[in-house]
Amino acid sequence: QSALTQPPSASGSPGQSVTISCTGTSSDVGGYYYVSWYQQHPGKAPKVIIYEVTKRPSGVPDRFSGSKSGNTASLTVSGLQAEDEGDYYCSSYAGDNRRVFGGGTKLTVV
Amino acid sequence: EVQLVESGGGLVQPGRSLRLSCAASGFSFEDYAMHWVRRAPGNGLEWVSGISWNSNNIGYADSVKGRFTTSRDNAERSLFLQMNSLRPEDTAFYYCIASRWLQSSPLAYWGQGTLVTVSS
Repeated sequence: QSALTQPPSASGSPGQSVTISCTGTSSDVGGYYYVSWYQQHPGKAPKVIIYEVTKRPSGVPDRFSGSKSGNTASLTVSGLQAEDEGDYYCSSYAGDNRRVFGGGTKLTVV
Repeated sequence: EVQLVESGGGLVQPGRSLRLSCAASGFSFEDYAMHWVRRAPGNGLEWVSGISWNSNNIGYADSVKGRFTTSRDNAERSLFLQMNSLRPEDTAFYYCIASRWLQSSPLAYWGQGTLVTVSS
């Protein structure tokens, strides 16, 4: 049970789009449609922004979108805003009643 | 308002035990799966354990399997994590989290965490 692989950092200018990848295996990301993404700001608890690969909870802007191809899931943030800066984590069901997180990606809006 | 309040953290020597608790309020605790997630200083999130609403299904990360035990008391609206044979690498903030289902639902409600420090 290894952590999912995310790039440690990503950046973009206001208004641009940025995509964060999350690579696992056929035992987690590739095997289930239970991939979720979390946004965390300093000093705050993580907040779910995408679940079941593509679904957005109510209140999450449609600038956030998710997708999956094979063993890699992706989070795309369109029309970047300053408030999007923070840490982003992917998570997947990994079978046997277990979940696994990615290492996290620090998103900077430059 | 949903509240998850962890307690029981502290400084403990390697090899010793510690029991964390989480008190839940503001939602139907008995209908939700519960999880423990930890974050070591300077590191990312690590899922530790999860338990279904009726305790019939429990999962553990490989890093804690055989040492940690998760349980719950729906009547008391409480979640527990018994941590045995603690190691320095178990040092982290431990978060109590609720999700609608054990395997599939997003981790919806998070506590503020309790710090566990394993050191001699």
